[in-house]
Amino acid sequence: QVQLVQSGAEVKKPGASVKVSCKASGYTFTSYDINWVRQATGQGLEWMGWMNPNSGNTGYAQKFQGRVTMTRNTSISTAYMELSSLRSEDTAVYYCARGGTAAPFDYWGQGTLVTVSS
Amino acid sequence: SYVLTQPPSVSVAPGQTARITCGGNNIGSKSVHWYQQKPGQAPVLVVYDDSDRPSGIPERFSGSNSGNTATLTISRVEAGDEADYYCQVWDSSSDPWVFGGGTKLTVL
Repeated sequence: QVQLVQSGAEVKKPGASVKVSCKASGYTFTSYDINWVRQATGQGLEWMGWMNPNSGNTGYAQKFQGRVTMTRNTSISTAYMELSSLRSEDTAVYYCARGGTAAPFDYWGQGTLVTVSS
Repeated sequence: SYVLTQPPSVSVAPGQTARITCGGNNIGSKSVHWYQQKPGQAPVLVVYDDSDRPSGIPERFSGSNSGNTATLTISRVEAGDEADYYCQVWDSSSDPWVFGGGTKLTVL
């Protein structure tokens, strides 16, 4: 069965960076995009960007341009999302989700809580 | 960028029908996807491409899309349907994936 398993919770100081991983199983990793979505406590879903694991091509939401980097390691079917220059407003649960160009997000990771606090 | 507008909350009694709307400029020309999110859990796709249901989603969940409004309809509402619901579209603009603000469904 398709699974996306994310890395554990992180606590970071303002100005630091965080790297969240998303390990895929149960399907061909390079056949579907990986999207990243975040959700602050009590707030809605916010799309951050996508990555094509086959080509490595990426597309980032304007809000995160220059601060986010999405990469992958195809040998271990794992996608990564790194967010830099963290501030308190980045405290949120970060999700990876499988999708494709204009295709819905049919499988989601369990989420990774990132807390930014001094 | 494209904006999707959802009512913050909808309330319905068990056994009744809940309708959750998602408004957007000419949204009828786009494919709308709907997600259910229960507290502490990841979102789950419940309707895609306006009105299709993924495997395992009850037939009670249905969708429609026309003009400037898409609608998620939940028939014979159960207590277990209480959750936040989000609509989503793909828009070929600078930020292609857009989510609505979410609607909290309360089962009275």
